Amino acid sequence: ELKVEQNPLFLSMQEGKNYTIYCNYSTTSDRLYWYRQDPGKSLESLFVLLSNGAVKQEGRLMASLDTKARLSTLHITAAVHDLSATYFCAVDMSTGTASKLTFGTGTRLQVTL
Amino acid sequence: DTGVSQDPRHKITKRGQNVTFRCDPISEHNRLYWYRQTLGQGPEFLTYFQNEAQLEKSRLLSDRFSAERPKGSFSTLEIQRTEQGDSAMYLCASSFYRGLNEKLFFGSGTQLSVL
Repeated sequence: ELKVEQNPLFLSMQEGKNYTIYCNYSTTSDRLYWYRQDPGKSLESLFVLLSNGAVKQEGRLMASLDTKARLSTLHITAAVHDLSATYFCAVDMSTGTASKLTFGTGTRLQVTL
Repeated sequence: DTGVSQDPRHKITKRGQNVTFRCDPISEHNRLYWYRQTLGQGPEFLTYFQNEAQLEKSRLLSDRFSAERPKGSFSTLEIQRTEQGDSAMYLCASSFYRGLNEKLFFGSGTQLSVL
């Protein structure tokens, strides 16, 4: 059974600081997603990582994928309060048909002034 | 609004009652997914449709659960004889499948509370 683990589960950081969220998964997969969820809101797709060594950046967020280590990271640069949310990684275990995603438990990020 | 729409947003029911949720996907999306999310956890895959065909169901989907997508447009998820363990957020997502780079768009969910 695929397990997806994120750490930390909760992160409180000051504005302007940098930090990394880690996502480890237990079975080989070449597709990994990062989502953001605000309280009571939808999941918003941030990144789709499709191959080993893939790196994507959007604003203050950068995601990378190491399929050999079964590890993805979400790096936050110079955090701002608007980034406060819960971040999920999700691994796609489908074989080219459905996007049957297995999500991690999420990392709740709180950015303080 | 062109996003994924779910109705109702909240549903409170008594144990043993039946409930039905509706999902309207983004127009022309050929795939529709149902996920369930409990407090403090990530969403869990329940089932998906390609057009009107239900192609896969998770073992989490007991025989009390049934989903339909008539005509390949909106979908309904029905839970019969609800149990307290069914309390969760039920999320719908849709996509236009084009291969590996499939991007799911999620709705805001239906929060179910079973008393």
